[in-house]
Amino acid sequence: AQTVTQSQPEMSVQEAETVTLSCTYDTSESDYYLFWYKQPPSRQMILVIRQEAYKQQNATENRFSVNFQKAAKSFSLKISDSQLGDAAMYFCAYSLSEKLVFGKGTKLTVNP
Amino acid sequence: DAEITQSPRHKITETGRQVTLACHQTWNHNNMFWYRQDLGHGLRLIHYSYGVQDTNKGEVSDGYSVSRSNTEDLPLTLESAASSQTSVYFCASSDPGKGEEQYFGPGTRLTVT
Repeated sequence: AQTVTQSQPEMSVQEAETVTLSCTYDTSESDYYLFWYKQPPSRQMILVIRQEAYKQQNATENRFSVNFQKAAKSFSLKISDSQLGDAAMYFCAYSLSEKLVFGKGTKLTVNP
Repeated sequence: DAEITQSPRHKITETGRQVTLACHQTWNHNNMFWYRQDLGHGLRLIHYSYGVQDTNKGEVSDGYSVSRSNTEDLPLTLESAASSQTSVYFCASSDPGKGEEQYFGPGTRLTVT
């Protein structure tokens, strides 16, 4: 069974600084998708970034980037120039056959 | 604009009652999913559907059922609500073959007393 592990239940960062959230996963498949979702206090699930496993290039979306290490089954999220609005729960997710398996989440606090 | 909606947004019910949570999407997506979110567990898959008349069990399907009679709707039914089913429920949809990104509804907070 596929599993996703987020080893940091909570993280904090100073505004304008950089923070990295960790995620590891377990799978025997070679072609799959990985995602980071953000959940602010409003509870809405918002897609932050997506990585296709067959692409070696790390995905980037503005201030958000990933470090995808396929052999190590690692998929970390880097947030640069952190903003107060980045404060939220962040979930790492693995997708195979259109179904998502989520990690337990990391709560990110941004300090002014 | 296309969207995915859930109703009700909040519900309180008693143990043993049947409850149905609605999910409606206007994306015209074939795939639809139900998840529950509990502290310490992230989101877990309850049921999913790849199209009309197709339904499948997920990781935590006991005590829940779904039916898919059209593309837009996937109602989730709790046959006999239990306190362990107190949770936040999310519906999601996706377009097959389009990168597996799922679009989520706003969630329904269900309390079983």
